[in-house]
Amino acid sequence: QQQVKQSPQSLIVQKGGISIINCAYENTAFDYFPWYQQFPGKGPALLIAIRPDVSEKKEGRFTISFNKSAKQFSLHIMDSQPGDSATYFCAASTGNQFYFGTGTSLTVIP
Amino acid sequence: DTGVSQDPRHKITKRGQNVTFRCDPISEHNRLYWYRQTLGQGPEFLTYFQNEAQLEKSRLLSDRFSAERPKGSFSTLEIQRTEQGDSAMYLCASSGLWETQYFGPGTRLLVL
Repeated sequence: QQQVKQSPQSLIVQKGGISIINCAYENTAFDYFPWYQQFPGKGPALLIAIRPDVSEKKEGRFTISFNKSAKQFSLHIMDSQPGDSATYFCAASTGNQFYFGTGTSLTVIP
Repeated sequence: DTGVSQDPRHKITKRGQNVTFRCDPISEHNRLYWYRQTLGQGPEFLTYFQNEAQLEKSRLLSDRFSAERPKGSFSTLEIQRTEQGDSAMYLCASSGLWETQYFGPGTRLLVL
């Protein structure tokens, strides 16, 4: 059973555009929601994370929007750049266990 | 490099053989995690250590898998009697007081 559902599976965006990736969860015990970026052949790297008591968090071009009542959260990448082309994973945690989405392959076209 | 390191980076083995992977976390991190990642999927949690204690174990971790962290520093993951379905990337991550996990580069296992 997939604890965290992520969409879309792949995304193509023009340079300068906004990339939006969505995730949904069911377990209300989750209290930490990170997003990771992964390049081929590398381990995932933390981009940004949020807790459920906050509805939005912004770090540079990356913003997480969190909707606790809908049990959904999303990653927005503003002014997308070709260097952002990678696979993005959302995750949810209860503290000791982390559950990852299936990933979104982002391609930013110059 | 003071990040998480994993060894080996690649391993090819024949079905039925045993393999062991090593993870060296960031030195001051007391939490260590093992994950398995297959192509096109997100990392799947396998097990979690706080210092030397193994506190969580996924149902995915069959009895052929065993992990240790004997002195609360490096960790090993052993797979006995490997099967073709074990072919995957095995990722290690560590964290300190906060949940931020730092991942290693992974060990890619191919079972023939």
